[in-house]
Amino acid sequence: SQKIEQNSEALNIQEGKTATLTCNYTNYSPAYLQWYRQDPGRGPVFLLLIRENEKEKRKERLKVTFDTTLKQSLFHITASQPADSATYLCALGTGTASKLTFGTGTRLQVTL
Amino acid sequence: GAVVSQHPSWVICKSGTSVKIECRSLDFQATTMFWYRQFPKQSLMLMATSNEGSKATYEQGVEKDKFLINHASLTLSTLTVTSAHPEDSSFYICSATLQETQYFGPGTRLLVL
Repeated sequence: SQKIEQNSEALNIQEGKTATLTCNYTNYSPAYLQWYRQDPGRGPVFLLLIRENEKEKRKERLKVTFDTTLKQSLFHITASQPADSATYLCALGTGTASKLTFGTGTRLQVTL
Repeated sequence: GAVVSQHPSWVICKSGTSVKIECRSLDFQATTMFWYRQFPKQSLMLMATSNEGSKATYEQGVEKDKFLINHASLTLSTLTVTSAHPEDSSFYICSATLQETQYFGPGTRLLVL
């Protein structure tokens, strides 16, 4: 069966460190993968999109890698700040009508 | 850019009544919008795909007669929860598509008493 797995345990890191979140999937052939941030009681906010033929994408302090052989994406936040504390969702798109399937999300807590 | 609004942001209603939620793309046109529901500490569950000018496509297990979707224009989709019951209480979120990316509304919290 198809699965998208993100660490269900919260990730606690100290301010200034790099946070690394993992998204693993099985039985999918995604055309692209997206990362979203969701704050409590709010809708998700789009962060980055990476396509199947791209290895890495960067945007300011964010970096995403995509390994279609390992079926894994890593999401990095460098120089993390308390304001980065949120739940981060990965989502796979197969290219059909822009439909996305979401992982369960990983909660990141950045402390001083 | 790519702003999506939802109205209302929260609603409390009595069991048996119907509730309409609006989703608007404010600065772009979206031929496709999506409706999700999210329970506490869970991920987004896709309910249906809303296509402008045609019938919505519902995910397996979602009752189309209970969750009525209308996508009358390129900037507006509505979700009507008919004959709402307490188990319909949830956080409903819409998104509008621009190229491959979905831009989400702020969500509507529905509480059915």
